[in-house]
Amino acid sequence: EVQLVESGGGLVMPGGSLRLSCVVSGFSFSNAWMNWVRQVPGKGLEWVGRIETHVEGETTDYAAPVKGRFLISRDDSKNTLYLQMNSLQIEDTAVYYCSLGANKTNTDYWGQGTLVTVSS
Amino acid sequence: DIVMTQSPDSLPVSLGERATINCTSSQSVLHSSNNKHYLAWYQHKPGQPPRLLIYWASTREFGVPDRFRGSGSGTDFTLTISSLQAEDVAVYYCQQYYRASITFGQGTRLEIK
Repeated sequence: EVQLVESGGGLVMPGGSLRLSCVVSGFSFSNAWMNWVRQVPGKGLEWVGRIETHVEGETTDYAAPVKGRFLISRDDSKNTLYLQMNSLQIEDTAVYYCSLGANKTNTDYWGQGTLVTVSS
Repeated sequence: DIVMTQSPDSLPVSLGERATINCTSSQSVLHSSNNKHYLAWYQHKPGQPPRLLIYWASTREFGVPDRFRGSGSGTDFTLTISSLQAEDVAVYYCQQYYRASITFGQGTRLEIK
């Protein structure tokens, strides 16, 4: 069974930083593209960014609202995906999901999500 | 970016009746290399992660009831639930993965009439 477990969410002040983690089990993590997707309360799903496999150079791409502030990385030895979030803004308040692309879409499997609240 | 537009935003349907959700992409999501449409549908219930229902526009994910059907081509796609069950109440999203920078529709809230 494929499982993704996020952690690291919480309350942070505007301008602050936070790092989210996502541990994957039941799938060959090193062969998977990984994505972060968020949902602002009361709004729809928004893609945050993606990291490709190590063999593909761990190429990353980001949505415009987070480019230059967020950084996605991976540690294949730990089956773990990271999202480093810097210069956080109130509008970054959301549930953040990690998602794994298997062989169907880029987001076949999802974690339960972790809530990030940016507030003073 | 490819813009995905769903209609309607909200859909009240009686139990046992058909529900139809539409999705239009701003450009074709048909990949010429394999003749597949890079279009997926997700079901999202409160407190749960999104659930993949349909991929390649019309392939049902393992375990998804056959009352869920995806159809369409080019830029126009449809998710049909043939006979609405109470457990189908959720927000439904279409998604394009033709471009690696995936995009979602704004969501359609399906409710019981």
